[in-house]
Amino acid sequence: SQTIHQWPATLVQPVGSPLSLECTVEGTSNPNLYWYRQAAGRGLQLLFYSVGIGQISSEVPQNLSASRPQDRQFILSSKKLLLSDSGFYLCAWSTDGNSPLHFGNGTRLTVT
Amino acid sequence: KQEVTQIPAALSVPEGENLVLNCSFTDSAIYNLQWFRQDPGKGLTSLLLIQSSQREQTSGRLNASLDKSSGRSTLYIAASQPGDSATYLCAANTNAGKSTFGDGTTLTVKP
Repeated sequence: SQTIHQWPATLVQPVGSPLSLECTVEGTSNPNLYWYRQAAGRGLQLLFYSVGIGQISSEVPQNLSASRPQDRQFILSSKKLLLSDSGFYLCAWSTDGNSPLHFGNGTRLTVT
Repeated sequence: KQEVTQIPAALSVPEGENLVLNCSFTDSAIYNLQWFRQDPGKGLTSLLLIQSSQREQTSGRLNASLDKSSGRSTLYIAASQPGDSATYLCAANTNAGKSTFGDGTTLTVKP
């Protein structure tokens, strides 16, 4: 069966520090991978998605970037965090563009 | 641009009641519509996915319907239980996996 791992679960970082959040998927090959952000009490906003190694599409201009160095690994990064980067970050995968989305447990990021 | 709205934002019902959660979307050209459950501080758990060619899907006490022409989907929960308390989100997949989410309905089922 397929599983998705996302870490860390919580993170407190000062403004201006770098960020690296990692997501890995097991039990499937060449998945579509997604990074979403959820503001408090709101729905999810798609940040990045990837259909293959090295293929990244950005949905919103921001202080963040994403990379996919391996087939089942998706990384969300920032060189310098802003207060507005605080939020709940969720990684997800799907088999293809018409299949169900499956989410990890999320990372709660607080920028102080 | 796809917009997804969920009404009501919050709902409180006594245990055992049947209930309906609503989801509306502005662009009917969707691939599918997916319903999720989210517990506080947790990720999303997929409940049901309805493909654009389907009218409804059922899983246990849950039934989701889709009316593309009117831009609506409903999630029906039968015989609600306290364990059903959570936030329920719908997501419209308009562009090959890039889904637009509603803000969710927070359900509280009172014992």
